[in-house]
Amino acid sequence: EIVLTQSPATLSLSPGERATLSCRASQSVSSYLAWYQQKPGQAPRLFIYDASNRATGIPARFSGSGSGTDFTLTISSLEPEDFAVYYCQQRSNWPPVFTFGPGTRVDIK
Amino acid sequence: QVQLQESGPGLVKPSGTLSLTCAVSGGSISISNWWSWVRQPPGKGLEWIGEIYHSGSTNYNPSLKSRVTISIDKSKNQFSLKLSSVTAADTAVYYCARGGLNLQDWGQGTLVTVSS
Repeated sequence: EIVLTQSPATLSLSPGERATLSCRASQSVSSYLAWYQQKPGQAPRLFIYDASNRATGIPARFSGSGSGTDFTLTISSLEPEDFAVYYCQQRSNWPPVFTFGPGTRVDIK
Repeated sequence: QVQLQESGPGLVKPSGTLSLTCAVSGGSISISNWWSWVRQPPGKGLEWIGEIYHSGSTNYNPSLKSRVTISIDKSKNQFSLKLSSVTAADTAVYYCARGGLNLQDWGQGTLVTVSS
């Protein structure tokens, strides 16, 4: 079973700063990696799919990169609404299982 | 865009069976899609429970497989989750979602507490 590791666990930054979040897979997932944002009391929301494609309505300041085992979510300039928890996720072919990373919390410094 | 809405009891007794339904609106559940259940214990991360295809094929999280059944009712445009032999560790917000490789649409979630 593929395990996803996210770092750092918490990122404390100020509005306007650049955020770089990392997700590492225990084995290659090709480019089949997604990122979700979750705010308190809300359901997760798909932000990035297939490693680098923004979902509908996601601002251009969010970008994803990587392939194989190492992936990055970058927020070029943090807006107040971006402070949240971000999860990475992959779906393996066999066994057919979704796996989520433990999350990175982006806090206001 | 598809909308999903979870419903079911908010309190389940230990050793009982948790039963939830996800109503799908804004689209047909019979369109080629996988339909998933995901849960999140209070203050913790996301755990995928399992999924069902419109044909009825299912995949389950191996850690929960022995206790989980997901079914689909195309006539009502909904799918359901049953989790048996629940304990306090099954207390969580339960979400239903739509997607294949990733989960594009989510319900708002429903809190289920396991307690006597």
